[in-house]
Amino acid sequence: QVQLVESGGGVVQPGRSLRVSCAASGFTFSRYAMHWVRQAPGKGLEWVALISYDGRNKYYVDSVKGRFTISRDDSKNTLYLEMNSLTDEDTAIYYCARTIFGVVADGFDIWGQGTMVTVSS
Amino acid sequence: QSALTQPASVSGSPGQSITISCTGTSSDVGTYKYVSWYQQHPGKAPKLMIYEVNNRPSGISNRFSGSKSGNTASLTISGLQADDEADYYCSSYTSSSTHVFGTGTKVTVL
Repeated sequence: QVQLVESGGGVVQPGRSLRVSCAASGFTFSRYAMHWVRQAPGKGLEWVALISYDGRNKYYVDSVKGRFTISRDDSKNTLYLEMNSLTDEDTAIYYCARTIFGVVADGFDIWGQGTMVTVSS
Repeated sequence: QSALTQPASVSGSPGQSITISCTGTSSDVGTYKYVSWYQQHPGKAPKLMIYEVNNRPSGISNRFSGSKSGNTASLTISGLQADDEADYYCSSYTSSSTHVFGTGTKVTVL
């Protein structure tokens, strides 16, 4: 079945780096734009980043620009989020999500279960 | 990239209808048809309920409907049921080629 499974979360010290991954299955990954969305403990959803189906276009929320990098490896059906210079404000559950119909502008029809990232000394 | 504005909470009795508003600007909700709504139960991932303002994905009850007027989108839940109690979020595409979520609304079934 169509599925997204995140991994790589954990506890990391402020200022350090972490990479989270999202393994896709059950659909043609290379045809879909993909997103990262995060949710801080007890807070609402925040869109983080988007990568087009071909990896050429990447967009970020202002608060992570220059620190986070979204990428994809279609040979592995995997989406990544490289996070640098982490602060406690980056503490959140990180979800990957598939774009409806593969359209960059559209919403998110498939979500992973999320991976928790905790930034703490 | 300010969050879209939603009421913090909405409540209703079983069988009633409720409406959740989502107010943005002419740079997001007011310009694009790409407004979606998500349901999130505690400890769970969000679930798509409405996409492109008023379209329901396969498997979503027709008790859920969406609309838009100007810079404000709305989600209506009719025939309110106990399982509808959850947090609801709207989202929109923006003129900066990014996406933005609403502040979230907690729906309580009395």
